[in-house]
Amino acid sequence: GAVVSQHPSRVICKSGTSVKIECRSLDFQATTMFWYRQFPKQSLMLMATSNEGSKATYEQGVEKDKFLINHASLTLSTLTVTSAHPEDSSFYICSASSLLYTFGSGTRLTVV
Amino acid sequence: QKEVEQNSGPLSVPEGAIASLNCTYSDRGSQSFFWYRQYSGKSPELIMFIYSNGDKEDGRFTAQLNKASQYVSLLIRDSQPSDSATYLCAVNIQEKLTFGTGTRLTIIP
Repeated sequence: GAVVSQHPSRVICKSGTSVKIECRSLDFQATTMFWYRQFPKQSLMLMATSNEGSKATYEQGVEKDKFLINHASLTLSTLTVTSAHPEDSSFYICSASSLLYTFGSGTRLTVV
Repeated sequence: QKEVEQNSGPLSVPEGAIASLNCTYSDRGSQSFFWYRQYSGKSPELIMFIYSNGDKEDGRFTAQLNKASQYVSLLIRDSQPSDSATYLCAVNIQEKLTFGTGTRLTIIP
């Protein structure tokens, strides 16, 4: 079946630094990947849709200059949280679509 | 009105009983519907998907879809303690998944 790998699984960074999260589709090509954010006891909120070879489409209220998305190949999308602040601490999850929507294992970001 | 609505629970069900989870959606154009299970601190995992009106069964799980009523449900038969998790309903709206808030299910031994 379709497998999506996400790294790192956990990261702690200092306030003001940047963090990059990688999402790879291992056994299929994904022209579209999705990035979600989940705060404790809340549901998944779509942040952006990542399209291979073109600019990402951001959901309303998501700062595109803060959450940089790059989808340079059919198997890799990256999310960079720039100038991270404690309020950016969250669980970030990527998803890719083959026949169904497959999720990565998620990245727990803690900004201190 | 939220695009996808679920009762947040918690829903407590005795072990061995049937757990019934419900979801309503607002977009009549939605074509595909998904149920994900999410354990605390983990990523969602797909349990069932359904496209057509009616029932779809897979082992202990049955998904039910009624497009006229804009309603999708998940039944879990012979509930096990390992089924205790948050269940997320997701609807494909314009090629993107929109999630409900999730229902927290607890199976009581």
